[in-house]
Amino acid sequence: KAGVTQTPRYLIKTRGQQVTLSCSPISGHRSVSWYQQTPGQGLQFLFEYFSETQRNKGNFPGRFSGRQFSNSRSEMNVSTLELGDSALYLCASSLETRGPGTEAFFGQGTRLTVV
Amino acid sequence: DQQVKQNSPSLSVQEGRISILNCDYTNSMFDYFLWYKKYPAEGPTFLISISSIKDKNEDGRFTVFLNKSAKHLSLHIVPSQPGDSAVYFCAATDLTLGQNFVFGPGTRLSVLP
Repeated sequence: KAGVTQTPRYLIKTRGQQVTLSCSPISGHRSVSWYQQTPGQGLQFLFEYFSETQRNKGNFPGRFSGRQFSNSRSEMNVSTLELGDSALYLCASSLETRGPGTEAFFGQGTRLTVV
Repeated sequence: DQQVKQNSPSLSVQEGRISILNCDYTNSMFDYFLWYKKYPAEGPTFLISISSIKDKNEDGRFTVFLNKSAKHLSLHIVPSQPGDSAVYFCAATDLTLGQNFVFGPGTRLSVLP
């Protein structure tokens, strides 16, 4: 069974640009969450999508947005990039969202560098 | 304000001995807890989880203990192996809110041969 796939693995962008990251969840998983990992702040929750609807949102500015498609694939978009957006962006998928057995399986991440 | 704390940034253990990683949380609404292992430049790998209705869950060499009254959980690895060397993250969530996991800052475990 294929795991969570994130593309691209590495990305370099310039301040002010926008970026779109992609995530394909494990087959059958309908919940997709996004996390940002930085050395200073650790792993921080960005948002969760379930059945094409955003169900939860973390404490990030509106420049960070996402969406989920009918096949559960998800994209995350960051507009007007800032140097502080440089981070490892991780996508996680899970099967169940409301009970025990909820484990999030992570992809390898996209390393975004803003210069 | 950190809702999930891992007060030991690092831990060194001899191969074959027990590794004990600790985690404390402040939000009494958390009802599901997980441990992840992470290698550099990779995503976290799920290890083991525990629901708040239990106080212990075991999976092979990994056991997680939950003390709800103390808002404390721990991960025991027995016996520790060099391949266990990684950063370990504790995560917690209120399942009624869905997949919003709050992660601790991590503990770097080094298992010495």
